[in-house]
Amino acid sequence: DVKVTQSSRYLVKRTGEKVFLECVQDMDHENMFWYRQDPGLGLRLIYFSYDVKMKEKGDIPEGYSVSREKKERFSLILESASTNQTSMYLCAHSWRGTEAFFGQGTRLTVV
Amino acid sequence: DAKTTQPTSMDCAEGRAANLPCNHSTISGNEYVYWYRQIHSQGPQYIIHGLKNNETNEMASLIITEDRKSSTLILPHATLRDTAVYYCIVRLNTGNQFYFGTGTSLTVIP
Repeated sequence: DVKVTQSSRYLVKRTGEKVFLECVQDMDHENMFWYRQDPGLGLRLIYFSYDVKMKEKGDIPEGYSVSREKKERFSLILESASTNQTSMYLCAHSWRGTEAFFGQGTRLTVV
Repeated sequence: DAKTTQPTSMDCAEGRAANLPCNHSTISGNEYVYWYRQIHSQGPQYIIHGLKNNETNEMASLIITEDRKSSTLILPHATLRDTAVYYCIVRLNTGNQFYFGTGTSLTVIP
């Protein structure tokens, strides 16, 4: 079974905190993605990575950064969390040219 | 950015075929059509993809028009567990990104 592990299912953080969302895959896939999902807006791509230490911005990178030091792990970082970053965050991975596999998501609430 | 257009919502009677349309009029010759679905509170799940030929697997069938400007996902015998949001995506098979739109919310009615 394909496994995508996101570090937390639910998370509550305070405004201004630095937040780390971790994603680990066990398929040795090149590509990893971070999305956020909000009602009425669907899934929006924040960042993706196509190799270790490589990253590209998606549609909505502002307020986020990412880190990929090892192939299996892709971290999303909120440098200073704000209430408008309250959302569902979804991690995914794929080989180049194949379907993407998604995790269950982390529901982040910033208070 | 998303390059597909889908109806916001649809209903289907249990046991009947569910036909979900998608317009992708700006699709280029080397872009594939992918379908995913998302059941409430879960991550999206891959269903099927195709380039220009019709495709079928154990979950669904994908019908792509000859001009490739639109496609239809068919769930042959919808069940209550097929109630979900269905996303149609176009993507280069050598590319990396998946761009999701807002999808179609399918409700299967008993």
